[in-house]
Amino acid sequence: SQQGEEDPQALSIQEGENATMNCSYKTSINNLQWYRQNSGRGLVHLILIRSNEREKHSGRLRVTLDTSKKSSSLLITASRAADTASYFCATGGGSNYKLTFGKGTLLTVNP
Amino acid sequence: DVKVTQSSRYLVKRTGEKVFLECVQDMDHENMFWYRQDPGLGLRLIYFSYDVKMKEKGDIPEGYSVSREKKERFSLILESASTNQTSMYLCASRTGSSVGTEAFFGQGTRLTVV
Repeated sequence: SQQGEEDPQALSIQEGENATMNCSYKTSINNLQWYRQNSGRGLVHLILIRSNEREKHSGRLRVTLDTSKKSSSLLITASRAADTASYFCATGGGSNYKLTFGKGTLLTVNP
Repeated sequence: DVKVTQSSRYLVKRTGEKVFLECVQDMDHENMFWYRQDPGLGLRLIYFSYDVKMKEKGDIPEGYSVSREKKERFSLILESASTNQTSMYLCASRTGSSVGTEAFFGQGTRLTVV
């Protein structure tokens, strides 16, 4: 079964605006990751946040994790047309081998 | 530059055929995964392997099997292809770690079963 669920399913914004995507999950985790997928391609890792971390930054990306609410958010600041892609959260926990993905958020950044 | 390579980008097979999807990684990773991706359903885990000859079922293993005879290669086998197995198949690998590590993905194989 899928662990993470992204929200919204689709998001359309103008270039320069910020984009926020959310992920909720069901069971305990030891880390949560965000990935990007350009149309028809494989996924690319963006950022990993561990269960004992609350916030992490990487360039224009900011990820938060609230383990009490079992949720995470991905903020992309000053978005660009090249940010247009699907974004997935993935959780790893338990055996740690398994990596489970949500259904993704399709982000469209209009020039 | 790390690489996960899937043997085919596009594949068309007939119903009932036995289909092999190959995945090779050059990073000496312990863990390898096969997912299928369908519109509206996201990525669903079919099988994963945490070591040579070791495998575990994912969420949707029915109709599939896997083989991992060498550390760098993980094969997905469709025993008798059916039209409902038409999908995008994604292979991934990552190193084993107690605190979690990023996964590297191949470019995907778009399989059509006719």
